[in-house]
Amino acid sequence: DQQVKQNSPSLSVQEGRISILNCDYTNSMFDYFLWYKKYPAEGPTFLISISSIKDKNEDGRFTVFLNKSAKHLSLHIVPSQPGDSAVYFCAASESPYNFNKFYFGSGTKLNVKP
Amino acid sequence: DVKVTQSSRYLVKRTGEKVFLECVQDMDHENMFWYRQDPGLGLRLIYFSYDVKMKEKGDIPEGYSVSREKKERFSLILESASTNQTSMYLCASSFSPQGPEETQYFGPGTRLLVL
Repeated sequence: DQQVKQNSPSLSVQEGRISILNCDYTNSMFDYFLWYKKYPAEGPTFLISISSIKDKNEDGRFTVFLNKSAKHLSLHIVPSQPGDSAVYFCAASESPYNFNKFYFGSGTKLNVKP
Repeated sequence: DVKVTQSSRYLVKRTGEKVFLECVQDMDHENMFWYRQDPGLGLRLIYFSYDVKMKEKGDIPEGYSVSREKKERFSLILESASTNQTSMYLCASSFSPQGPEETQYFGPGTRLLVL
């Protein structure tokens, strides 16, 4: 059974608006979370991370929110740009040092329309 | 910039063939990983290696083996390919120990079709 779930396989947003990508997890021991972005024909690239001691981490247009009680994290992209169109994966681990146990979601394909 | 390269972008093999997927990284990373990506399932870890000649099973090692004879190279081997091994295979590498600022760097992937 998947421990990290992205229930929306796709999302379409107008350029300039906010994109919100969601991720749920089941393992309460997870304490480190990442988002990766993947363009077609390329490998995933790291986007942003958050540890469980925080509930928010911001990097430019990208903000990740963590709700530990709900076992839910979300990625906000504001404003969305056409170049953000990609597949976004969330991943979780019991520790940032536990490199062998990153669990990935199934991905959400974001389409930002000009 | 970190570069992780994979030997083939697309590969077509027949059932029962032995298949080698090669991965090379140029940043002297200690850790290397092999994942497969399937629709609706995300990335699943097959094997990883934290040093030369060292390997550990991931979540789905059955039907696969790996080899790491040199630090920069990590090979995934399908001893006898089967149709259920048709998938996208992604290699990744990272420094060790992996700190909060660290992440895994991925190659572009190899799309394998087993007929």
